[in-house]
Amino acid sequence: SQQGEEDPQALSIQEGENATMNCSYKTSINNLQWYRQNSGRGLVHLILIRSNEREKHSGRLRVTLDTSKKSSSLLITASRAADTASYFCATDDVGLGGGADGLTFGKGTHLIIQP
Amino acid sequence: EPEVTQTPSHQVTQMGQEVILRCVPISNHLYFYWYRQILGQKVEFLVSFYNNEISEKSEIFDDQFSVERPDGSNFTLKIRSTKLEDSAMYFCASSPLGYNEQFFGPGTRLTVL
Repeated sequence: SQQGEEDPQALSIQEGENATMNCSYKTSINNLQWYRQNSGRGLVHLILIRSNEREKHSGRLRVTLDTSKKSSSLLITASRAADTASYFCATDDVGLGGGADGLTFGKGTHLIIQP
Repeated sequence: EPEVTQTPSHQVTQMGQEVILRCVPISNHLYFYWYRQILGQKVEFLVSFYNNEISEKSEIFDDQFSVERPDGSNFTLKIRSTKLEDSAMYFCASSPLGYNEQFFGPGTRLTVL
């Protein structure tokens, strides 16, 4: 599998249900970030979790990070139709950028919330 | 709320032509980035820029590409001689600190004919 690979590739749930998306990566990281992208639009930053953190919350979002398994999950609780979008994990890999490291993105999970 | 802006939103060019994509990062940010996303594919990192010089670049960022911060507000990506495979959405991003959230602009869709 490739760095920053999400699963499932697509997820369709009913409004009000919880949505869980997973991300796996291969290298050592400084942090892992989740982004949302509506069709044909820009990337919206959702949440950042650092390599020494295990869990983080922001509103209806909960992110976990397991560096031993090199995996992360994003949970969206009480989903809404407006949450329909593609969700990407992106890793800030330990490298030579000195704080200006480029992010490595996964292919994304396309989430559809059915009203 | 401050935002990263990019112009133009859509650029159509002929193969072999030079294009300049423009970005205005968030004003107190210090780190700047360019990414691209070919239709249906992953977002790919191109280059990062800090303290008026390139910090990191990917294999994609070859001699055809260059970046510049010509003044205190703009950040540009130049492609010297465009190829068909350069057709993509190009995103600019900025960050206030290293190892931090990156805030993305809405993108410029580049179409090379």
